[in-house]
Amino acid sequence: AQSVTQLDSQVPVFEEAPVELRCNYSSSVSVYLFWYVQYPNQGLQLLLKYLSGSTLVKGINGFEAEFNKSQTSFHLRKPSVHISDTAEYFCAVSEPGGSYIPTFGRGTSLIVHP
Amino acid sequence: DAGVIQSPRHEVTEMGQEVTLRCKPISGHDYLFWYRQTMMRGLELLIYFNNNVPIDDSGMPEDRFSAKMPNASFSTLKIQPSEPRDSAVYFCASREGGAKNIQYFGAGTRLSVL
Repeated sequence: AQSVTQLDSQVPVFEEAPVELRCNYSSSVSVYLFWYVQYPNQGLQLLLKYLSGSTLVKGINGFEAEFNKSQTSFHLRKPSVHISDTAEYFCAVSEPGGSYIPTFGRGTSLIVHP
Repeated sequence: DAGVIQSPRHEVTEMGQEVTLRCKPISGHDYLFWYRQTMMRGLELLIYFNNNVPIDDSGMPEDRFSAKMPNASFSTLKIQPSEPRDSAVYFCASREGGAKNIQYFGAGTRLSVL
């Protein structure tokens, strides 16, 4: 069965600093991986996704993530954050086949300080 | 498209009352999901539908919760009777069947049961 672990519940960082949000998954088969962002009082929206191909995936707002099969990780990075990046970030995994129902992590709260 | 539309955005009710949350999925999407988000438990999948048919309701916490999808453009989540521990943000999401698992979320309904 698939599962997702987001290692940090909260990540504080100063504006213009780089950030990495960690995500590890467990699955017995090949997986699809996703990062979603939730701004205050809003629903989740897709940041980026890995389905196949290049292990480095670029998303919206300057975010990118790297799929590492040997370490079963899919960490999210941004070289320079803005105040507006303050939000909750969710990693999700799904296994191909069936209905592709994703399992979400508990979320990481990114807090960007001026 | 206007996206996934949920109503009401906020609901305050008293313990024991019936609560009905509503969702209009994106036109053409044949999967619909109901989630509950709390600080303690994170994002939980309650139930999902495919072509208006409930497929998996194993996440519904108890018999007080019920969900229906009478047609492709409307779904309800009902709690009867409501309890204070039901206080949470409830999200509806929809997805195309053939897509690689890109879910689109509504803005959520914040439920407070007093």
